Amino acid sequence: QVQLQESGPGLVKVSETLSLTCTVSGYSISSGYYWGWIRQPPGKGLEWIGSISHSEITYYNPSLKSRVTISVDTSKNQFSLKLSSVTAADTAVYYCARQGMRGSGSYIHYWGQGTLVTVSS
Amino acid sequence: EIVMTQSPATLSVSPGERATLSCRASQSVSSNLAWYQQKPGQAPRLLIYGASTRATGIPARFSGSGSGTEFTLTISSLQSEDFALYYCQQYNNWPPLTFGGGTKVEIK
Repeated sequence: QVQLQESGPGLVKVSETLSLTCTVSGYSISSGYYWGWIRQPPGKGLEWIGSISHSEITYYNPSLKSRVTISVDTSKNQFSLKLSSVTAADTAVYYCARQGMRGSGSYIHYWGQGTLVTVSS
Repeated sequence: EIVMTQSPATLSVSPGERATLSCRASQSVSSNLAWYQQKPGQAPRLLIYGASTRATGIPARFSGSGSGTEFTLTISSLQSEDFALYYCQQYNNWPPLTFGGGTKVEIK
């Protein structure tokens, strides 16, 4: 079955860049779908950050677009998130996810377990 | 951006009773609406897509309805494992994908 696992530092300093990687097993990223990131601040709701296709077409949330880069490494079956100039407001659980394609339903089929990233001075 | 509004924020229900959760979109999303369940410390889980299609392995007591701007998730007879947070999400017009603020179903 499809599994996703986030990895990366759990603590990032204010103004620095948050970097996370998602490793996918049970499915080849090259085979299709979008691969994305969603975050959830402690005690709050879900915010979609962005997603990328295997052909590196990217879509970003306009509210974060100036600070976000999502990339894919099909050779490692991984995709990554970089969020620059972080503040305390970026403290959240970050989930990686498989998202359906346009035309077939861009809902979230599979989620990683999530990783808490705390931004601290 | 399409804004999704869920109501109520908290729903208190006794086990075995029916729960009805609402989700409203700021503009039509056709039937491109999904529902997710989230338990404490866990990732969300897909329940419903296409407004009314249950995802694989989801019990029949979960049903979704609606189209356009008004949607409903019904849990016909609440089991202990159903007490959780529920989110709706539209995927008709993106980016961005947008989620509702969530409804917490708690034991009455």
